[in-house]
Amino acid sequence: DIQMTQSPSTLSASVGDRVTITCRASQSINSWLAWYQQKPGKAPKLLIYKASNLESGVPSRFRGSESETEFTLTISSLQPDDFATYYCQQFNDYPYTFGQGTKLDIK
Amino acid sequence: VRLVQTGAEVKKPGASVKVSCKASGYTFSAYAIQWVRQAPGQRLEWMGWINAGNGNTKYSQKFQDRVTFTRDTSTFTAFMELSSLRSEDTAVYYCARARMDVWGQGTTVTVSS
Repeated sequence: DIQMTQSPSTLSASVGDRVTITCRASQSINSWLAWYQQKPGKAPKLLIYKASNLESGVPSRFRGSESETEFTLTISSLQPDDFATYYCQQFNDYPYTFGQGTKLDIK
Repeated sequence: VRLVQTGAEVKKPGASVKVSCKASGYTFSAYAIQWVRQAPGQRLEWMGWINAGNGNTKYSQKFQDRVTFTRDTSTFTAFMELSSLRSEDTAVYYCARARMDVWGQGTTVTVSS
């Protein structure tokens, strides 16, 4: 199985900060990566697909990028609604696998 | 566009559970339905998908022997049945449309004696 490793596991930041979350795949996944936001007791919400494509309706402060097997989610200016847990997921190979999550909380 | 799942279930070890996922607002048969679960405090875990049009399925090897996906095109509903339940299957089970752009609200399944 392809292992997806996120860092950091937790991140404390303030409103207005720029934050970066990293997801590393154990092998090439050909850009088949998605990012989700999940709030407690809620289903995940798709933010980014195919590594860098912003899902419709998602604010432009969210940006995805990639460099080989390393993928990055950047939030340019944190808003109060952004404090949540973020997951990456690879779709390149079965079984599709998720990272362990990055919890973004208020500093 | 919505996916609405059945309510919470409590099952005993060894039993089976069947979760439904009713679609509305789009052409049900044009998209696959994926199933994902999340145990308490754990990462999301992909279980597989069903092509809502032709009924073809793909299961994660981890669940291959215990899970069955079906669908009813007349009611726009997909189903996930998990058998031989054990305590480790206690989780929230989600359905999601093909590229995971639309999710159900989740169904909590608790396995306890």
